[in-house]
Amino acid sequence: EPEVTQTPSHQVTQMGQEVILRCVPISNHLYFYWYRQILGQKVEFLVSFYNNEISEKSEIFDDQFSVERPDGSNFTLKIRSTKLEDSAMYFCASSDWGNTEAFFGQGTRLTVV
Amino acid sequence: GQNIDQPTEMTATEGAIVQINCTYQTSGFNGLFWYQQHAGEAPTFLSYNVLDGLEEKGRFSSFLSRSKGYSYLLLKELQMKDSASYLCAVRDRGGGNKLTFGTGTQLKVEL
Repeated sequence: EPEVTQTPSHQVTQMGQEVILRCVPISNHLYFYWYRQILGQKVEFLVSFYNNEISEKSEIFDDQFSVERPDGSNFTLKIRSTKLEDSAMYFCASSDWGNTEAFFGQGTRLTVV
Repeated sequence: GQNIDQPTEMTATEGAIVQINCTYQTSGFNGLFWYQQHAGEAPTFLSYNVLDGLEEKGRFSSFLSRSKGYSYLLLKELQMKDSASYLCAVRDRGGGNKLTFGTGTQLKVEL
């Protein structure tokens, strides 16, 4: 069964460093998303991406964040100058149409120290 | 904006039926989703409603009333593996198809 894959599964980084979280969405999907979940809290929307551009972003997704689809398969989230409060599980998701369910990857646990 | 409410915790017995409620207020509704999330894992899609009524999918069913801003997830023949968090999420009419999640209902299934 097709699945969304994310790497790495766990990343530890020092405050102020840049991190890149990687995702391979399901191959025929057109819509891509990043969500995050701080430990013990709800899943929060960060950004959606369609047709090689951001279609919507939340207030969390400030200038510190950026997304890119560098090739036909990968979808990345870059966090510049990480802060302690960026520590969370980051989930990538994809859907084939906007009106269908989103499938989530297993997540990258980011720990900023 | 969106506001989604669901109970924080529920406990039920193996083999029983449990109903998890979700109420929402939204500026533009375009579907309600239920996901299951085991601790430390990704949300897994369970069910989706965009029109009023009941959607059945094996042991899981979900109901929607748009006029009341209300949905429930019904789990039948509960198994121990159903112990998890159940997330209600609303999609709005914005171009980004974003999902807004509730805080989740932690279900504990006991013998």
